[in-house]
Amino acid sequence: GQNIDQPTEMTATEGAIVQINCTYQTSGFNGLFWYQQHAGEAPTFLSYNVLDGLEEKGRFSSFLSRSKGYSYLLLKELQMKDSASYLCAVRSPNTDKLIFGTGTRLQVFP
Amino acid sequence: GAGVSQSPRYKVAKRGQDVALRCDPISGHVSLFWYQQALGQGPEFLTYFQNEAQLDKSGLPSDRFFAERPEGSVSTLKIQRTQQEDSAVYLCASSLETTNNQPQHFGDGTRLSIL
Repeated sequence: GQNIDQPTEMTATEGAIVQINCTYQTSGFNGLFWYQQHAGEAPTFLSYNVLDGLEEKGRFSSFLSRSKGYSYLLLKELQMKDSASYLCAVRSPNTDKLIFGTGTRLQVFP
Repeated sequence: GAGVSQSPRYKVAKRGQDVALRCDPISGHVSLFWYQQALGQGPEFLTYFQNEAQLDKSGLPSDRFFAERPEGSVSTLKIQRTQQEDSAVYLCASSLETTNNQPQHFGDGTRLSIL
């Protein structure tokens, strides 16, 4: 089966750091993606991991451990505009479709 | 345009009507995907095209759902005899190619409401 778990909601304060976890159990693996989605808008690509380790991109970093089926997205220096849903997705090796978690809704407070 | 374009942005239909949703992918993108997103959920895969070939339609929920991409660019998702459970946001995504770190780029979606 395919199962991707992430927390439903998180809250944080402006300027702080927040870590959003994602665990997955899928029948295949060809990379893990993080997307940001504001309400009523398109998901936008944030990061990609296919090998174990940390990928850093400005205020956003993503980590992957394939042996543990685990990833996290780290957001630093939080801004109000970071309030959005964050989607973890595993790419299937056979058809390249993305299998998404339910998303984590992050609210940033002043 | 620079991004994936979907139309209409919103669609309201009565149960039993047929609807057609359009997707204009980013120019030159080989791969095209359709997803269905229910409120508060992540997108769920429906179907995948590589150029004009539909390589995977395993996510289509029933034979009322049909997708095509006849010339390898614009794609249409058609839903026949719509039901209330078809109400959702339908997202289209395209990618340059389905290798390595090429991400899928999403459109804003069509919000479909079946009355």
